[in-house]
Amino acid sequence: AQSVTQLDSQVPVFEEAPVELRCNYSSSVSVYLFWYVQYPNQGLQLLLKYLSGSTLVKGINGFEAEFNKSQTSFHLRKPSVHISDTAEYFCAVSDQYAGGTSYGKLTFGQGTILTVHP
Amino acid sequence: DGGITQSPKYLFRKEGQNVTLSCEQNLNHDAMYWYRQDPGQGLRLIYYSQIVNDFQKGDIAEGYSVSREKKESFPLTVTSAQKNPTAFYLCASSIANRLYEAFFGQGTRLTVV
Repeated sequence: AQSVTQLDSQVPVFEEAPVELRCNYSSSVSVYLFWYVQYPNQGLQLLLKYLSGSTLVKGINGFEAEFNKSQTSFHLRKPSVHISDTAEYFCAVSDQYAGGTSYGKLTFGQGTILTVHP
Repeated sequence: DGGITQSPKYLFRKEGQNVTLSCEQNLNHDAMYWYRQDPGQGLRLIYYSQIVNDFQKGDIAEGYSVSREKKESFPLTVTSAQKNPTAFYLCASSIANRLYEAFFGQGTRLTVV
C-alpha cells in the first residue's frame, strides 16, 4: 500500500519570498510522483510530474520539485511567490507497476494550503 | 476542446434520497475515477474503472455505486446508505497505460440537508 504525507497543512508566506511545500511518500514499489494545485471550488490542475530521468522537475507557474529516492521525498519549491499562487497544493503518487491492483490509482496527501500575503 | 465535464456544479438533496453525479469526458481516455474531498483529508478514491463495463472499489466505496456503460461516461450514485454524503466530488480520467497523468473535472459540491 502507498501513502503520502504532506508535512505542513498550512504555509503562510509574504509575496516574493521563496516557499517549499514538503511531501514524503511510502511505497513497496517504484512510483510516479505528482503535484497538483486546486483553487477554491475548482478541480485539480497538474503542476508537474516525475516519471523518470532527471530528479529535478520543472512545472508550470515557476514551480519545481526534486525527487529524492533515498529520503522518499518530493518537495515542491518556488523561488518567489505571487499573490496568485494562493491555493491548496496536493502531492500524489502512483504505482509504476503495470497490472497491479493499485495500478492507475493516484494516492493523495492531505493537502497544503499556501497563503501568500502582500 | 477536450476535457472532463462534471454536472451539476452544486447539488442539494434531502437526507435519505439517492443522487447521481454526472461525469463525461471526450479525451478518449480508458480509465476514469471518482474521488471524494473533505477538508484536511485530501482526496480519497471511491471507485475507478479501467475499461467499459468494468469497475473496482476504491478506498471508500461503501454507500456509493457506479456504472461504466460507455467509455465517455462514469456516473456516480450517492445512495442513502452513505452516512456522510456532504462533500466535494471530483471525477478524473487518464490513459490506461504505463505512462499517464490524470485530468480532473471541476467538481460537484453535494450538500445533503
